[in-house]
Amino acid sequence: DGGITQSPKYLFRKEGQNVTLSCEQNLNHDAMYWYRQDPGQGLRLIYYSQIVNDFQKGDIAEGYSVSREKKESFPLTVTSAQKNPTAFYLCASSILAGTNGAEAFFGQGTRLTVV
Amino acid sequence: GENVEQHPSTLSVQEGDSAVIKCTYSDSASNYFPWYKQELGKGPQLIIDIRSNVGEKKDQRIAVTLNKTAKHFSLHITETQPEDSAVYFCARGGSSNTGKLIFGQGTTLQVKP
Repeated sequence: DGGITQSPKYLFRKEGQNVTLSCEQNLNHDAMYWYRQDPGQGLRLIYYSQIVNDFQKGDIAEGYSVSREKKESFPLTVTSAQKNPTAFYLCASSILAGTNGAEAFFGQGTRLTVV
Repeated sequence: GENVEQHPSTLSVQEGDSAVIKCTYSDSASNYFPWYKQELGKGPQLIIDIRSNVGEKKDQRIAVTLNKTAKHFSLHITETQPEDSAVYFCARGGSSNTGKLIFGQGTTLQVKP
């Protein structure tokens, strides 16, 4: 089945630790995105990538890092510099539609909790 | 110019009634307006979208209307059912070549049986 897969579903992080969230898609999409979801704040863009080996900061990139070594994969690292990392993280992908806009396909999310 | 304002934040209706959620935006270059439904613990899924050259689009019990002059668009759900209970997000896109979507804050819809 074609789709976008996030793992793990639940993740616990100790203070001062870096953790990496996985996102894989087999939809052959060029563009991939990471969003953070907090109650009452909608989805806020962390990072996005339109092509392999290239990515751009979104609105809340501080304390996060990404890589795009393969078209299918766009892992997100939550570093110790992110002071409030507890949230629901969503990965998405889409075709490159430019200014036409395009549907984003979302994974099932990773819930990260700091313990 | 980036934000999308979505109202109401919560909405409770009786089964069979209609539900309406409204979003406003300020970037006049936006030309793509999707609506997503998110069930508890899951990722959002597209339910309907509309492009700027169309004023209204329907898909069974769901419809979206767009007023480009006033810069607002709305989701209409008729004959609501308990399985419509979820969080709904509007978004806008197409104003840049990045493909990114800007989302509203979400509306929690509860349909009471």
